[in-house]
Parts: sequence; C-alpha cells; structure tokens
Amino acid sequence: GAVVSQHPSWVICKSGTSVKIECRSLDFQATTMFWYRQFPKQSLMLMATSNEGSKATYEQGVEKDKFLINHASLTLSTLTVTSAHPEDSSFYICSAPDRRGNTDTQYFGPGTRLTVL
Amino acid sequence: QQQVKQSPQSLIVQKGGISIINCAYENTAFDYFPWYQQFPGKGPALLIAIRPDVSEKKEGRFTISFNKSAKQFSLHIMDSQPGDSATYFCAARQFDRGEYGNKLVFGAGTILRVKS
Repeated sequence: GAVVSQHPSWVICKSGTSVKIECRSLDFQATTMFWYRQFPKQSLMLMATSNEGSKATYEQGVEKDKFLINHASLTLSTLTVTSAHPEDSSFYICSAPDRRGNTDTQYFGPGTRLTVL
Repeated sequence: QQQVKQSPQSLIVQKGGISIINCAYENTAFDYFPWYQQFPGKGPALLIAIRPDVSEKKEGRFTISFNKSAKQFSLHIMDSQPGDSATYFCAARQFDRGEYGNKLVFGAGTILRVKS
C-alpha cells in the first residue's frame, strides 16, 4: 500500500509553546489530507480536512486558531498546535487518500505523540 | 450521533479460534467499508475493505461479510493468532470525487486479545 509518514513521532513541549507536526505522502500526491486526534482507548476523532491550495475545513468544535493547518504542497500537510496546554496532549494522526486508479483508499501515518508539560 | 456502531467493545479469543467483530450503519449513501488494525502507539493500517455490491471478501485469514439489506458488515479473523491482538476499527465512507475529501466515519473500536 501507499506510504504516509509523520514527523516527529513524539514531542514533549512546555505549556504555551507551539508545536508543528508534518504529514507527508511519500509515493503519491494528495490534494487532501485528514488530521485526527485519538485519546487512549478511544476511536479516531476527525479534526480537520487539509486542502492543497485552499483553506482547511475544520470539524465542529475544533478551534481553527488553535490548530493551524497548512497544505504546502501535494505531498505535505502540517498541523501546528499553537500555545499548547496540557489538555492538548494526545496522539495526532494524519491520513491521505490515494486516488490513483479509482480506489480512494485512505492510508494513515504512524502518528505523533504530543505531551505538553 | 454515532453513524457506525461497532461491537463488541472488547473480545478475548483463544489461539486458533475465530474472532468476529460487527458493525452497523444507517446512511445508505455509504459506498465503501474498510477495516483498520491498530497496534498501541501506531497509526491504523488498512486491513481489508469491501464495497456494497459484494457480499463477501476474503484476504488470507481475514474475511468481510456484508449484508446490504440489514446495513451490517462484519470482520472474521480465522485461526486467530496472538499477533492479531490489536484494536480493530470499522469505517464507512460516502464517496464523491468532486469533493475535496471523502471522510471516513469510524466505529468505536474493538480491542481484540488472542490468548495463546
């Protein structure tokens, strides 16, 4: 299957700082990428849809100014958690749909563990 | 509102046994139903997927059974192994190539433990 990478795999930061997480599709282009948040023993919660060349689409209840999304190219989307606080600590996962052929299969990155002290 | 209901929440199966996880949905516009496997601290990995024009799909030890009239689908893991112990998520998608993205709606997940 297609490969999606994330960087960093884990990050620890102090409260009030900003953290950037990168999501890359390594062997295909993705005009759309998705960002999820996952709490322990829970399902994936969609935060936003990242769109190349236009603004991201945020799910209800997700703060746009808190979670900045930039889809810089057809293979890169970034999520910046601004002024992070301990309640932002979570597992963040991105995914990208591979639209080659007619499959539109979504492949997930390995996730980024964010811990805010 | 939970659009995809998954059960059971957790499951313990003996090695060599059959693991069965069930999902039900309401939206008849869903046209693609993948299953994902997730190990602790890792991202979900696509396991197998099915479209509603097929009633069953098998890949190795993994089989999806799909019942369109009942709006239900299930994952069967034959000859379950300890290495299958993970969290399994069913999902559903409403496809529209014209849209920026086709969101997946996930079930709540099932924690599977295979005892050796």
